[in-house]
Amino acid sequence: AQKVTQAQTEISVVEKEDVTLDCVYETRDTTYYLFWYKQPPSGELVFLIRRNSFDEQNEISGRYSWNFQKSTSSFNFTITASQVVDSAVYFCALSEANYGGSQGNLIFGKGTKLSVKP
Amino acid sequence: KAGVTQTPRYLIKTRGQQVTLSCSPISGHRSVSWYQQTPGQGLQFLFEYFSETQRNKGNFPGRFSGRQFSNSRSEMNVSTLELGDSALYLCASSQQGNGYTFGSGTRLTVV
Repeated sequence: AQKVTQAQTEISVVEKEDVTLDCVYETRDTTYYLFWYKQPPSGELVFLIRRNSFDEQNEISGRYSWNFQKSTSSFNFTITASQVVDSAVYFCALSEANYGGSQGNLIFGKGTKLSVKP
Repeated sequence: KAGVTQTPRYLIKTRGQQVTLSCSPISGHRSVSWYQQTPGQGLQFLFEYFSETQRNKGNFPGRFSGRQFSNSRSEMNVSTLELGDSALYLCASSQQGNGYTFGSGTRLTVV
């Protein structure tokens, strides 16, 4: 069965600190997709990144970076030099491939609430 | 390019009533999915529509239903509302293989 675990329920840091959000997933499929979304208080889920199971390259986008390791079934997310605007709930999600290779529905972790204090 | 539009943003209904929520996807996106978010259960998949056909369904009772129109707009309906149906309902649209874009959601309160 598919499952996504975000063990950290809440994290609080001071501005400019680096912070890593952990995500561990379970799936029997060899083709799958991993996502990170940010949910600010307004409620909308904001897409951050999508990775397919064949692409283990780490990715950096500005202050954000992602570490995908199939050997440990982890897809961790690091924010460098955090800012108050980064305060939000962050969700990791898994999508298995449908027949034909397209992405299936999202299975979400419980989320990690990040508070960045000035 | 307009994003995913969900209406209404807020809704208060009485137990036993029914409710219809609407979602307009990004232009050109043919897939629309619905998710329910509650503090206890988190984000859970309800169903997905593609080209007016339900392609996938989550583990929810038959009181939850949906449909998609020829212009890809989608509605979801919940009949015989229960207190536990109070949640944020999120709609996501997708162009096959390119991730999901979510709307701002409809916050439903059942009293």
